[in-house]
Amino acid sequence: KAGVTQTPRYLIKTRGQQVTLSCSPISGHRSVSWYQQTPGQGLQFLFEYFSETQRNKGNFPGRFSGRQFSNSRSEMNVSTLELGDSALYLCASSLAYPRSYRDRGGTEAFFGQGTRLTVV
Amino acid sequence: GNSVTQMEGPVTLSEEAFLTINCTYTATGYPSLFWYVQYPGEGLQLLLKATKADDKGSNKGFEATYRKETTSFHLEKGSVQVSDSAVYFCALKDTGNQFYFGTGTSLTVIP
Repeated sequence: KAGVTQTPRYLIKTRGQQVTLSCSPISGHRSVSWYQQTPGQGLQFLFEYFSETQRNKGNFPGRFSGRQFSNSRSEMNVSTLELGDSALYLCASSLAYPRSYRDRGGTEAFFGQGTRLTVV
Repeated sequence: GNSVTQMEGPVTLSEEAFLTINCTYTATGYPSLFWYVQYPGEGLQLLLKATKADDKGSNKGFEATYRKETTSFHLEKGSVQVSDSAVYFCALKDTGNQFYFGTGTSLTVIP
């Protein structure tokens, strides 16, 4: 079974440009979450999509956006890039969105290798 | 709100030494707790998890027990190997699929 695939692995962009990152979850998984990892801030939650709907959003500016397609693949977009957006962007795939308090805990996340974005 | 505090690194140990990485949490509900590991150039891999109080998660010689009374989930291993060198993240998940991660602890094991 293939794992979570993120493309591209590396990107170099110039300030002010925009970028689109892609994530293909594990087959059958319908939830995709995105995280930003930086040395200073650690791992920060960006947003989560389930069944093409954004279910949850972290505390990031509106320049960060995402979407999910009917095949569960997800993209995230960052517009008007800033130097501080340089980071490793990780995608996490989960089987489902917990529908009740009772089954909240067992859903583990499988992470991709990430996309390393460098803004110059 | 939800947050995780874990032991600052880096940690350097000799092979076969005992490992403890401390992790405490704050949560509004009854979270599940996880340890993830990140090897250089890789994403995060689940190491172990525990979904309720007093549960013990274990994998590859690593163990952690969910202690509600002390709000802790400390990671332990009796005898570390060079291949255990990595960054370890403690995390909690409450409702939904959002994880709250600690800052990570870098472990280097020397032969």
